[in-house]
Amino acid sequence: EVQLVESGGGLVQPGGSLRLSCAASGFTFSSYEMNWVRQAPGKGLEWVSYISSSGSTIYYADSVKGRFTISRDNAKNSLYLQMNSLRAEDTAVYYCAREWAYCGGDCYPVFDYWGQGTLVTVSS
Amino acid sequence: DIQMTQSPSSVSASVGDRVTITCRASQGISSWLAWYQQKPGKAPKLLIYAASSLQSGVPSRFSGSGSGTDFTLTISSLQPEDFATYYCQQANSFPPYTFGQGTKLEIK
Repeated sequence: EVQLVESGGGLVQPGGSLRLSCAASGFTFSSYEMNWVRQAPGKGLEWVSYISSSGSTIYYADSVKGRFTISRDNAKNSLYLQMNSLRAEDTAVYYCAREWAYCGGDCYPVFDYWGQGTLVTVSS
Repeated sequence: DIQMTQSPSSVSASVGDRVTITCRASQGISSWLAWYQQKPGKAPKLLIYAASSLQSGVPSRFSGSGSGTDFTLTISSLQPEDFATYYCQQANSFPPYTFGQGTKLEIK
């Protein structure tokens, strides 16, 4: 059974830092691209960051570029998000999501498994 | 960035009703569209990929259609467990992946 379990959320002051972790099990973690997606309270979904299966390709949303760093440790089946210079608008539930691509001619990437999320609250 | 706009933002319906939710992309995305269902306090769940392909395990009352800029998610006969918020997501132009703002399906 595929499982993604996030941890590391909590209350942090503006300007502070936090490191989120996502522990993966039930699949070959090193074969899959992974993403972080967040959801502010009462709001919609916002993609945050992507990392390729090897970790060699990384992308960020403009809203977090230069402040957040995504990484992974395939030996530990773990995904991370280092969040620095946090702002009130970063307050959200952060989900890790496995990316799967259906290929039939073109390849259509989707998020087929999600963790339960971890809440990050940025407030003084 | 490609903007995704869903309509309506909310809809009230009864068990057994047929419901259609629309998603429009700000530019053509071919069939690079997925639909997700999210219940309160839970993670999103993948329903449809490639605009019209049903994810394994998803009931056949869910269907998707469209290509280019206009897409629809249809629930043919609403069940009590279908009351949730639904999101579309484009994967044609990445980064970034972008989601619609969501459509909340409520019980009438």
